[in-house]
Amino acid sequence: DTGVSQNPRHKITKRGQNVTFRCDPISEHNRLYWYRQTLGQGPEFLTYFQNEAQLEKSRLLSDRFSAERPKGSFSTLEIQRTEQGDSAMYLCASSPTYYGYTFGSGTRLTVV
Amino acid sequence: GENVEQHPSTLSVQEGDSAVIKCTYSDSASNYFPWYKQELGKGPQLIIDIRSNVGEKKDQRIAVTLNKTAKHFSLHITETQPEDSAVYFCAASNRDTGNQFYFGTGTSLTVIP
Repeated sequence: DTGVSQNPRHKITKRGQNVTFRCDPISEHNRLYWYRQTLGQGPEFLTYFQNEAQLEKSRLLSDRFSAERPKGSFSTLEIQRTEQGDSAMYLCASSPTYYGYTFGSGTRLTVV
Repeated sequence: GENVEQHPSTLSVQEGDSAVIKCTYSDSASNYFPWYKQELGKGPQLIIDIRSNVGEKKDQRIAVTLNKTAKHFSLHITETQPEDSAVYFCAASNRDTGNQFYFGTGTSLTVIP
């Protein structure tokens, strides 16, 4: 068990570019979550997968954001046409049950 | 939706003293309350949680209390150590209506040796 792995750790992109982040959850965890965290704030929910099905999406997840979890294993989060307001830490978490996520170390996105 | 407020935003204590962090929530239907510790450059780590059918839970130096009537819950850390220095987040959720956790804004705890 190597924990939740997120790549890349850091990403700097120009405004208007597309970016994609990857999350590899703990292997036996069928629940996977994406959160966004800005400086000085707590994590904000973006979306939830159970196996390969995306069951919940936050209103924060605009149509520029899309997430997938093919085959119920790793997940990707794509942001199209990035804006400066997208700069944040993107956290992935997984869990075997409802209670208690295990978070990854996150991907820090900077849009310049 | 749920709104979670957390106080204080910063807290400094001498090593060996106790630290208390308080959170209030708005949705009386919330029934699960985890606490997370986040160290610099890392993701949040679950340290303790409590469900709405329990008033108090303890794990070694860490305890959490829940007052459902007042809609507040607190984290208590006793005999603090320098390695307890981190940002602590409370969260609330309702497992009957969804899988979203609502987090507080965090408390930066510094333990002074």
